[in-house]
Amino acid sequence: AQTVTQSQPEMSVQEAETVTLSCTYDTSESDYYLFWYKQPPSRQMILVIRQEAYKQQNATENRFSVNFQKAAKSFSLKISDSQLGDAAMYFCAYRRPMDSNYQLIWGAGTKLIIKP
Amino acid sequence: GAGVSQTPSNKVTEKGKYVELRCDPISGHTALYWYRQSLGQGPEFLIYFQGTGAADDSGLPNDRFFAVRPEGSVSTLKIQRTERGDSAVYLCASSYSRGGTQYFGPGTRLLVL
Repeated sequence: AQTVTQSQPEMSVQEAETVTLSCTYDTSESDYYLFWYKQPPSRQMILVIRQEAYKQQNATENRFSVNFQKAAKSFSLKISDSQLGDAAMYFCAYRRPMDSNYQLIWGAGTKLIIKP
Repeated sequence: GAGVSQTPSNKVTEKGKYVELRCDPISGHTALYWYRQSLGQGPEFLIYFQGTGAADDSGLPNDRFFAVRPEGSVSTLKIQRTERGDSAVYLCASSYSRGGTQYFGPGTRLLVL
């Protein structure tokens, strides 16, 4: 069974600095999708970034980028120029592309604190 | 356009009572998912609908939990004889097609006293 591990329960960063959140996963599949979601206190999961495993190029979305290391089964999120609004729980999630139910398998989350 | 909505936002009930949680997906989304998120954890899959049918309910913890989506749009998660261990945030997500990116609602926080 696939598993997702986020080893950092909490991270803090100074406003405007860069922070990297770690995620590792375990799978025997060769083709899959990885996601980072943000969950602010409002509880709504917001998609931050998505990576297809067959793509070599790391995904980027404005200040957010990933370092996808397929052989190492690592998928870290880098947030540049951190802003106060980035404070939230961040969840890494895995999804098989041809799974019968396409469920997301989640890590336990990392709480990101932004220091003004 | 409107996102996924869930009602109620919060629900407090007593042990043994019956509750219904509602999810209204994004218009046109055929796939709908329910997840449960316990305090301090990531979400766990409960059930997946493709259209009106429950394509996979393997995540439902026991037969006290049931979900329906009769017209292929709104879904209701039903919990009978609630237990204190059912307390959690129940998240609903929808996607345009199976395998598409899942968009989440704000969740319903259920507290069973």
